Order: sequence, then C-alpha cells, then structure tokens
Amino acid sequence: AQSVTQLDSQVPVFEEAPVELRCNYSSSVSVYLFWYVQYPNQGLQLLLKYLSGSTLVKSINGFEAEFNKSQTSFHLRKPSVHISDTAEYFCAVGYNQGGKLIFGQGTELSVKP
Amino acid sequence: GAGVSQSPSNKVTEKGKDVELRCDPISGHTALYWYRQSLGQGLEFLIYFQGNSAPDKSGLPSDRFSAERTGGSVSTLTIQRTQQEDSAVYLCASSTDRASSYEQYFGPGTRLTVT
Repeated sequence: AQSVTQLDSQVPVFEEAPVELRCNYSSSVSVYLFWYVQYPNQGLQLLLKYLSGSTLVKSINGFEAEFNKSQTSFHLRKPSVHISDTAEYFCAVGYNQGGKLIFGQGTELSVKP
Repeated sequence: GAGVSQSPSNKVTEKGKDVELRCDPISGHTALYWYRQSLGQGLEFLIYFQGNSAPDKSGLPSDRFSAERTGGSVSTLTIQRTQQEDSAVYLCASSTDRASSYEQYFGPGTRLTVT
C-alpha cells in the first residue's frame, strides 16, 4: 500500500535555529510531492510543491524541500525559523494527476524564543 | 476570489442521527475531494469527484458514508447513523484539471462531534 512517513511527530526548536522536517514515501513510480502547513485554528495551506523539473523547490517564506528519488524523500528545511513558523506541517504525495493525496501523520513544529 | 467554503463549521449530533456536510468548491474547479482529519488517524482520503462522477471512492470507511456532487459544483457528504468514531474534522478540497497545477485548495473544514 502507498504510504507517507513523517518521522518526527514533534520538533521543538529555538528561534533563528535551522530545522529539517523529514518525509519519506513508498513508491517507485512518478510522484507529485507537497508540503502543506496548518497554523493553529486555521485550514491547510500549500507551502510548496514538486511536480517535475528542478528537484529543489522553495516557498516565499524561506522554506525549501528537495526531491530525492533514490531515497524516496522530500525533506523540508529552513535555515532560520521564526516564532510565526509554529504550526503543523503535512507532507503529501500524489501518484496520479488529479487523484487523491496521501498524507503523512504531520509534524508539529514548535518554535520557542 | 472566493476559496473553498464548507458548512456548517461545527456540527454536534447524537449517535444514530444522520448528518449532511456541504462543500462549495472554487468556481471553475472540476475536481473535488473529501478528506477526514482525526486524532490518531491523521488526514485520510474519502472520495474524489471529477465533474459529477466519482472515479475514486476507495476511502469511504463504510456504507454509512455517501457523497454526491451536482452541477459540477456543490458536493454533499452524508453520514447515516452516526457513530462516535465518526467524530473528526471533515475537509473538502478542489483543484483544476490543468496539467500545470495539480494543487488542491482546502476549505476550513466541518468539525463533527458525535455524542
């Protein structure tokens, strides 16, 4: 069965420190990869996506993720986090264009001053 | 423009009652998805519509769950004879069928509590 694994359920980090949220998926076929963010008491918002082309994708607020086909990973990184980055982050994979997304269990990022 | 809207935002119902949850997708989006977010289960796919047809309903947990979409727009998710394990946040998403997109836009969700 297709699955997405987010290895860390909670990641506490101090402000201005770097962070990496890990995501691995099970597949050997073409995939579409996403990171969604859910701020407290808000809905899911797309943070960044990989559809094709360059394996390094970036968001407007400093996050980036790299598609690694050999390791079936799509880890999310930010070199310096802010308090406002505190949220839950979900990795998601699509295997068919227009079809369902399979989500990881989520990683709660908590940024402390 | 307007995003995906869902109603009601909160629903409390007694065990055994039927409930209907509504989703209004972004205008012009041909694809519509229902997901469920619950503690311990994360985000689970329920059903996917392309236009008014549902090519993938593999995530519906039981025959108490059904969904329809009319006019290629509004969708209703119906849960019959609700059980306590149905308590969750039900999320709707929509997307275009443009090859360059494939992004799903999510609504705020309906929080269902079965007492």
